[in-house]
Amino acid sequence: GAVVSQHPSWVICKSGTSVKIECRSLDFQATTMFWYRQFPKQSLMLMATSNEGSKATYEQGVEKDKFLINHASLTLSTLTVTSAHPEDSSFYICSAPESGAQTEAFFGQGTRLTVV
Amino acid sequence: DAKTTQPPSMDCAEGRAANLPCNHSTISGNEYVYWYRQIHSQGPQYIIHGLKNNETNEMASLIITEDRKSSTLILPHATLRDTAVYYCIVSTNTGNQFYFGTGTSLTVIP
Repeated sequence: GAVVSQHPSWVICKSGTSVKIECRSLDFQATTMFWYRQFPKQSLMLMATSNEGSKATYEQGVEKDKFLINHASLTLSTLTVTSAHPEDSSFYICSAPESGAQTEAFFGQGTRLTVV
Repeated sequence: DAKTTQPPSMDCAEGRAANLPCNHSTISGNEYVYWYRQIHSQGPQYIIHGLKNNETNEMASLIITEDRKSSTLILPHATLRDTAVYYCIVSTNTGNQFYFGTGTSLTVIP
C-alpha cells in the first residue's frame, strides 16, 4: 500500500517553544490530509483537515492559533504546535487518502511529543 | 462523533479465529464500514472495509448483517502479532476523516 511518513518520530521540547511535525505522502499525491491526537490509553481524536492550497478546517475545540497547519504541496502537510505546554504532550498522527483514487486512508507512524 | 460501539476488550487463543463485533445501528446508506488496528505506539493499520457485501482479503474477513446495523471482523487464525486495538469506523467516503470510537483491545494468548 501507499506510504505516509511522519518526521520526527519523537521529539522533546521545552515549555514555551514551538515544534513542527511533518507528514509526507511518499508515493502518491494527497490534496487532503488529516491530523489526529492521541493521549495515553485513549482513542485517536481528529484535530483538523489539512487542505492543499487553502486553510485548514479545525474540529470543534481545537485552537487553530495553537496548532498551525500548512499544506504547501500535494505531498506535504505540517503541524506546528506553538508555545507548547506539558498538556500538549501527546501522540500526533496524520493520515492521507490518495487523491482521486478509491482507496483507504493511509496513516503515518505517529510523532510522540513530550513537552518538559 | 463516533457512531460505533465495540466491546472494550477480548481474548483469543493463538491459532483460533478471532471474531470482533461492532454495532453501528445508525449507519447511513452511503456509509462504509472500515476496520483498522493499532499496535502500541504506531499509526493505525488498514485491515478491510465494505459497504454491504461481505468482504475478504489476505488479512481478514468482514461480515456485515443484512440490515447493516452491525458487522464482525474475523481474523481466521490469530497470531501473537495480532494483539492490538481494533477500531470499527463508519464513514461516507473512502479515505475520509475518521471519528474513532474506543475500539476493542484484542489480546492473543499463547
